[in-house]
Amino acid sequence: GAVVSQHPSWVICKSGTSVKIECRSLDFQATTMFWYRQFPKQSLMLMATSNEGSKATYEQGVEKDKFLINHASLTLSTLTVTSAHPEDSSFYICSGKKTATTDTQYFGPGTRLTVL
Amino acid sequence: QKEVEQNSGPLSVPEGAIASLNCTYSDRGSQSFFWYRQYSGKSPELIMSIYSNGDKEDGRFTAQLNKASQYVSLLIRDSQPSDSATYLCAVNMIYNQGGKLIFGQGTELSVKP
Repeated sequence: GAVVSQHPSWVICKSGTSVKIECRSLDFQATTMFWYRQFPKQSLMLMATSNEGSKATYEQGVEKDKFLINHASLTLSTLTVTSAHPEDSSFYICSGKKTATTDTQYFGPGTRLTVL
Repeated sequence: QKEVEQNSGPLSVPEGAIASLNCTYSDRGSQSFFWYRQYSGKSPELIMSIYSNGDKEDGRFTAQLNKASQYVSLLIRDSQPSDSATYLCAVNMIYNQGGKLIFGQGTELSVKP
């Protein structure tokens, strides 16, 4: 199997606070993890790619100081949204790849963030 | 031109019919193609992957790839109301060694009982 979990599944926070989202690969070691964001009625937009033990690679237009990504182990990556604002409210989804040579990504269940 | 294009729909088919979902992509060097299904409020789940020209069948699903035409499709036979979802086409762009997937905007499918 290839199961990815995320925690929390939803979070509501006040504007200006920081929120951390965890992504775990439960039955495989993810050499690479990806973080996506999805706004209502839109497709997935890649935010960043992270490899275990390395700095994340951010997509153009994604503020790396605002969206902090840590991939400390082969089974855990975290995304911290710092100083969140209402426009950061979205569905955040992570995915993992089993090996460096495979293309298939397995997605977590997503985290719905609402910033008041 | 978008890198991966899909008709947004909604595509409505009666129960038991064949649903045909289409996707075109811009990068002629792309090698890996995926179809994901996404229910409202949920994350995408992988339905099929296809790498070679031709058809690939898995149960009621058939993926078709034509690299010359830069076209990939998904056929769903004997459509069921539970197939109602948004179907996302994703293409692994050859120029990105990290395996970055580019997603289409998705086609919303509605299967009417």
